[in-house]
Amino acid sequence: GAGVSQTPSNKVTEKGKYVELRCDPISGHTALYWYRQSLGQGPEFLIYFQGTGAADDSGLPNDRFFAVRPEGSVSTLKIQRTERGDSAVYLCASREGGNTGELFFGEGSRLTVL
Amino acid sequence: AQKITQTQPGMFVQEKEAVTLDCTYDTSDPSYGLFWYKQPSSGEMIFLIYQGSYDQQNATEGRYSLNFQKARKSANLVISASQLGDSAMYFCAMSGLGRLYFGRGTQLTVWP
Repeated sequence: GAGVSQTPSNKVTEKGKYVELRCDPISGHTALYWYRQSLGQGPEFLIYFQGTGAADDSGLPNDRFFAVRPEGSVSTLKIQRTERGDSAVYLCASREGGNTGELFFGEGSRLTVL
Repeated sequence: AQKITQTQPGMFVQEKEAVTLDCTYDTSDPSYGLFWYKQPSSGEMIFLIYQGSYDQQNATEGRYSLNFQKARKSANLVISASQLGDSAMYFCAMSGLGRLYFGRGTQLTVWP
């Protein structure tokens, strides 16, 4: 597609449930990032893929968070046993390759945990 | 460690006036990039301008220019001739370790 696509745009779930957020990057972009943005804050790094492998997952807050990118394109962020503190906008971004240049962001998935 | 500081939570400017949004950074890497993004209320992050640490000239993109002062570790965004549509959150970011580090943002409001 023309831009980074994220689904769902909004997700409301109950505490303790499992959630999957999907990101489809710009075609040909090998680098894919997940960020989390809480209200009134800047985006906070979660994980970065180069191709299929996670190059850096140091931003994942705990083992309830996991992300995959099995074919080097679409990525899924998975959150187990959701907590109210997980409520945020989850942003996905991609770039062509390497570790320089701007990131192209999707419109985000807003997660609300009740 | 890389750190970005934006000290202005909110800024106000009248339409057609210029405004400067402040950004300071901290890094020990000799090579880095500095970015500004705009985030309207709709939520998408829009790339505005980039400055490389070795660039001699300040970056410009239309009405946006980046006032890069390397010795002071500052990378302020200047928006000339503000428009109502410029009202948004603005984030400064720096590259490092393969990712971008973002500041907390400045909410810009342009009034007629």
